[in-house]
Amino acid sequence: EPEVTQTPSHQVTQMGQEVILRCVPISNHLYFYWYRQILGQKVEFLVSFYNNEISEKSEIFDDQFSVERPDGSNFTLKIRSTKLEDSAMYFCASTQFSGANVLTFGAGSRLTVL
Amino acid sequence: GENVEQHPSTLSVQEGDSAVIKCTYSDSASNYFPWYKQELGKGPQLIIDIRSNVGEKKDQRIAVTLNKTAKHFSLHITETQPEDSAVYFCAASFPNAGNMLTFGGGTRLMVKP
Repeated sequence: EPEVTQTPSHQVTQMGQEVILRCVPISNHLYFYWYRQILGQKVEFLVSFYNNEISEKSEIFDDQFSVERPDGSNFTLKIRSTKLEDSAMYFCASTQFSGANVLTFGAGSRLTVL
Repeated sequence: GENVEQHPSTLSVQEGDSAVIKCTYSDSASNYFPWYKQELGKGPQLIIDIRSNVGEKKDQRIAVTLNKTAKHFSLHITETQPEDSAVYFCAASFPNAGNMLTFGGGTRLMVKP
């Protein structure tokens, strides 16, 4: 069964450092997402991406965050200058069609900011 | 903004009993309601979903019901097994917000053998 793969599985970084989280969506999917889950809390939407552009973003997705699809395969989330409160699980998801459709999630990248 | 409330936050049942998890949503235009199961250290996995033109959907031991008038939907798991133990999230898709999913707070289900 096709999977969304994410790397790294766990990253520890110092406050103020830049972090890049990587995702390889399912190959025929066109819509890509990043979600965040702070420990013990709900899964929160960060950003959606289609046709090399951001489609929607939440209030959480401020100027410190950026996304790109550099090579037609990887989908990355960059946090420019990490803060303690960025510590969370970051999930990438993808779907084939627009509208209300099934999202397939990756296993997540755990980010710990010290 | 869009909001999804989920209850209970924890649920403990004996193996073989049924489990019911309930969610309410804020936007009457919402049209897609998936349920995800999250096991420790893994990402959310879709277990069942329902669209707004259907009132009930069943897949073996799992069923979901939707009441559009009341804006609530529920997950029913019958004959629970220890491997059903996980965190379950409901979600709703809001057309006025780009169809992104908004998740409920999650329910930790513990099935005791």
